[in-house]
Amino acid sequence: AQTVTQSQPEMSVQEAETVTLSCTYDTSESNYYLFWYKQPPSRQMILVIRQEAYKQQNATENRFSVNFQKAAKSFSLKISDSQLGDTAMYFCAFSSGSARQLTFGSGTQLTVLP
Amino acid sequence: GAGVSQSPSNKVTEKGKDVELRCDPISGHTALYWYRQRLGQGLEFLIYFQGNSAPDKSGLPSDRFSAERTGESVSTLTIQRTQQEDSAVYLCASSLRQLGYEQYFGPGTRLTVT
Repeated sequence: AQTVTQSQPEMSVQEAETVTLSCTYDTSESNYYLFWYKQPPSRQMILVIRQEAYKQQNATENRFSVNFQKAAKSFSLKISDSQLGDTAMYFCAFSSGSARQLTFGSGTQLTVLP
Repeated sequence: GAGVSQSPSNKVTEKGKDVELRCDPISGHTALYWYRQRLGQGLEFLIYFQGNSAPDKSGLPSDRFSAERTGESVSTLTIQRTQQEDSAVYLCASSLRQLGYEQYFGPGTRLTVT
């Protein structure tokens, strides 16, 4: 079974600074996908970024980028130029061919301070 | 276009009653997922529908939980004889058929069992 671990329950960052959220996972599969979702207080889950395991290049989406270390089974999210609107719970998630549903970590509550 | 919709947004019920939660996926999305999110926790997979294939029910916590989907449209999650531990937010998501595509989430139904 796949597991996803987020070891930082809470983090804070000053506006305009950079913050990195950690995620590790465990799987025996070779074909899989990794995601970061954000959940603001509105409860709406929003996709932040997505990474295919077969791609060596790290995914980037504007201010968001990942550091994907396949051998270490690590998938961290870097948020640059943090904005107040980035305040949310961030979930790391995994899906694969054998289990198409998402397996989520326990989340990291990020607070951006003015 | 329209996103995933869920109804009701909030439901309060007495212990022992049955409840039905509804999900309308994005048109054209063949895959539909139900997840449960307990307070302050990550999402737990419940059930997955893909087209006309038999659903993956491996995440349902007990036989009090069941779900149906009509073709590639509406889905209903039913919880019979509700218990207090069923109190949670129930989230529905839909996606295109292919593995690894983004899952689009609805706003969820907050269920409170008194």
